Amino acid sequence: NAGVTQTPKFRILKIGQSMTLQCAQDMNHNYMYWYRQDPGMGLKLIYYSVGAGITDKGEVPNGYNVSRSTTEDFPLRLELAAPSQTSVYFCASSTPSTGTGRTEAFFGQGTRLTVV
Amino acid sequence: AQKVTQAQTEISVVEKEDVTLDCVYETRDTTYYLFWYKQPPSGELVFLIRRNSFDEQNEISGRYSWNFQKSTSSFNFTITASQVVDSAVYFCALSIYAGGTSYGKLTFGQGTILTVHP
Repeated sequence: NAGVTQTPKFRILKIGQSMTLQCAQDMNHNYMYWYRQDPGMGLKLIYYSVGAGITDKGEVPNGYNVSRSTTEDFPLRLELAAPSQTSVYFCASSTPSTGTGRTEAFFGQGTRLTVV
Repeated sequence: AQKVTQAQTEISVVEKEDVTLDCVYETRDTTYYLFWYKQPPSGELVFLIRRNSFDEQNEISGRYSWNFQKSTSSFNFTITASQVVDSAVYFCALSIYAGGTSYGKLTFGQGTILTVHP
């Protein structure tokens, strides 16, 4: 089982550049999430989605955009990269749409982003 | 707003010692969930346990045990006879009940770095 797959694993961006972090899950989960983890800190929620076409802001949404056109994919877009966005980004998904099976959040391996 | 505090930034023990990781939480909601996740050096987050606010029974799973006390808003995690493979960052997290997002819309503590020396 692939679970939650994030690409790329590492990326270096220059200030002002844009990029999209990809996230895909194959567990038929309704809910998907983007978190960021700064050094020595816990994870903070950026955006989340309760289904295709529905997204909502988390605790730290500024500087990011998301879309959810399919159940499987939940990309995170950085439009104008800033040094403050240097972080490790985690995508997660939870809750099978069938109503059975494990409900806890499964996390991807993370994307380590550096903005210089 | 919810808050999770893990006061211990780093803990260092020698193999076979018991170690307890503290977690204190704040929420005004009466229905909520508490979680522990493990982040090994490889970086991924591994789910360990979820408890709901109505279930204060302690739980044991092998060398791991959890003590949930609503009276002190604490959800502590004990590793018995620690091993080098237990070295990781451990996160405590909280979510309020909100349908399906209850299991993934989490407020995390800052984490405790556990190092187990041989």
